[in-house]
Amino acid sequence: AQTVTQSQPEMSVQEAETVTLSCTYDTSENNYYLFWYKQPPSRQMILVIRQEAYKQQNATENRFSVNFQKAAKSFSLKISDSQLGDTAMYFCAFMKLMEYGNKLVFGAGTILRVKS
Amino acid sequence: NAGVTQTPKFQVLKTGQSMTLQCAQDMNHEYMSWYRQDPGMGLRLIHYSVGAGITDQGEVPNGYNVSRSTTEDFPLRLLSAAPSQTSVYFCASSPRAGTGQETQYFGPGTRLLVL
Repeated sequence: AQTVTQSQPEMSVQEAETVTLSCTYDTSENNYYLFWYKQPPSRQMILVIRQEAYKQQNATENRFSVNFQKAAKSFSLKISDSQLGDTAMYFCAFMKLMEYGNKLVFGAGTILRVKS
Repeated sequence: NAGVTQTPKFQVLKTGQSMTLQCAQDMNHEYMSWYRQDPGMGLRLIHYSVGAGITDQGEVPNGYNVSRSTTEDFPLRLLSAAPSQTSVYFCASSPRAGTGQETQYFGPGTRLLVL
């Protein structure tokens, strides 16, 4: 079974600075996707970034980028130029691909607080 | 395009009562799923469906029932509510496998309190 570990329960960063959230996972699958979701106080689950395991190039979305190390099974999220609106819970998730669908396995989350 | 919608937003139940959490999507996604979120834990999969008429159990299925009669709707039924089912419930949908677009999109959640 797949497991996802987020070792940082809470983190804080000053506005405009850069922060990195850690995530490791365990799987025997070769083809899968990885995700970071953001959950602000509204509780809405918002997709931040997506990485396909077969792609060596790290995904980027504006101020958000990942460091995907497939051999090490590591998938960290870097947030540059942090903004107050980035304050949220961040979940790392592993997607197992199946013949007719997919399954997400989530980490326990990291609370990020951006300070002014 | 409303995406994934869930009703109600908040519900209080007494132990032993039954209820149905509604979920609908208008993106023509074949895959739908239900998760629960408890404090200090990530989301856990309850049940999922790969198409109309096809459902299967996830990680924590006990006490819940699902059916899928249409592509758009995927209701979650609590048969006899227990305090341990107090949680936030999320519905999600995803395009079918093999499209290269497999990403799960989430509804706004339903907060359930069982007394």
